[in-house]
Amino acid sequence: DQQVKQNSPSLSVQEGRISILNCDYTNSMFDYFLWYKKYPAEGPTFLISISSIKDKNEDGRFTVFLNKSAKHLSLHIVPSQPGDSAVYFCAASAPYNTDKLIFGTGTRLQVFP
Amino acid sequence: DAGITQSPRHKVTETGTPVTLRCHQTENHRYMYWYRQDPGHGLRLIHYSYGVKDTDKGEVSDGYSVSRSKTEDFLLTLESATSSQTSVYFCAISETGGTNTEAFFGQGTRLTVV
Repeated sequence: DQQVKQNSPSLSVQEGRISILNCDYTNSMFDYFLWYKKYPAEGPTFLISISSIKDKNEDGRFTVFLNKSAKHLSLHIVPSQPGDSAVYFCAASAPYNTDKLIFGTGTRLQVFP
Repeated sequence: DAGITQSPRHKVTETGTPVTLRCHQTENHRYMYWYRQDPGHGLRLIHYSYGVKDTDKGEVSDGYSVSRSKTEDFLLTLESATSSQTSVYFCAISETGGTNTEAFFGQGTRLTVV
């Protein structure tokens, strides 16, 4: 059973526009969420995170929004750049199981000129 | 970049043979993880370690074993490789575990079982 879901396997956005990547989760005990970016032939790299006590966290062009009632988080990239083209994974952890991160299936973002 | 080295980076092996993948870190982080990445499944946790000789299973541990005899090394062994274990394997490390911390990943090992 997939506890963290990324229902859009791919997304294509024009350079300069906003990219919105979505993630849904089923476990209401999750209290920490992260986004990772992965380029081909490389390992995932940490991008941004958010604790469940917040509903927004911003870092430069990247903003993560958390809607706990909807069990939904989203990553906004503004403005999108060609270098943002990668696979994005969301991940979550729960306080009773802090040793483990549960990852979504990923969304491939392509930013075209 | 976090000091994580995976070896080998690529391996082709035959069905039924044992295979060991190595993860080496220079960060002295307590937690080490093995994930596999497959299309449509994202990253799935195989095993993890929370200290020397302390390991636990992840969500897809069948057919895999691990060992951690030193802080810096975490080995993943496929006892008898099967074609379903063809995948890209990632090692990750973190200082304090899942909550309020990020994990750093190695570059991956592409394993093909023929």
